[in-house]
Amino acid sequence: SQTIHQWPATLVQPVGSPLSLECTVEGTSNPNLYWYRQAAGRGLQLLFYSVGIGQISSEVPQNLSASRPQDRQFILSSKKLLLSDSGFYLCAWSDGTGNYGYTFGSGTRLTVV
Amino acid sequence: AQTVTQSQPEMSVQEAETVTLSCTYDTSENNYYLFWYKQPPSRQMILVIRQEAYKQQNATENRFSVNFQKAAKSFSLKISDSQLGDTAMYFCAFMRGNFNKFYFGSGTKLNVKP
Repeated sequence: SQTIHQWPATLVQPVGSPLSLECTVEGTSNPNLYWYRQAAGRGLQLLFYSVGIGQISSEVPQNLSASRPQDRQFILSSKKLLLSDSGFYLCAWSDGTGNYGYTFGSGTRLTVV
Repeated sequence: AQTVTQSQPEMSVQEAETVTLSCTYDTSENNYYLFWYKQPPSRQMILVIRQEAYKQQNATENRFSVNFQKAAKSFSLKISDSQLGDTAMYFCAFMRGNFNKFYFGSGTKLNVKP
């Protein structure tokens, strides 16, 4: 069966520090991968998506970047965090058809102080 | 552009009663999919139910059912026999048929009262 792992679960970082959040998928190949951000009490904002290794599409201009160094690995990064980067980050994958929806990771709560 | 609107930021229902959450969407596509996701306090996103636009029959999953009105671009979720464990944020989502990207509504916070 397919599983998705996302870590860390919680992170507190000072302003100006770098960021690296990792997401990996097991039990499938060539998944579509996504990074979403959810502000407190708000909906989900798509940040990045990837349909293959090295292929990254950005939805909104921001202080973040994403990379896909391996087929089932998706990384969200920042060189210098801003206070506005605080939020709940969710990784998700789908099988490429989207017919069965997304499967989400358990999320990372990021607080920038 | 696709948009998804959930006009009810928050709702309450008594345990064992029925509640309906509203969702409307805007698209010029004819082939698409609609979903409802549940996000409990743990914040794990859980797929509740899905509907293909080309199917006229409304989807049903145990106590969860949808009322899909394609012409009206409406996709409401009905929860029957509400349980305390149904307390969560509920998100409506739209996906175009030929591209695997979701558009989410802003969510409805459902509180099931004992």
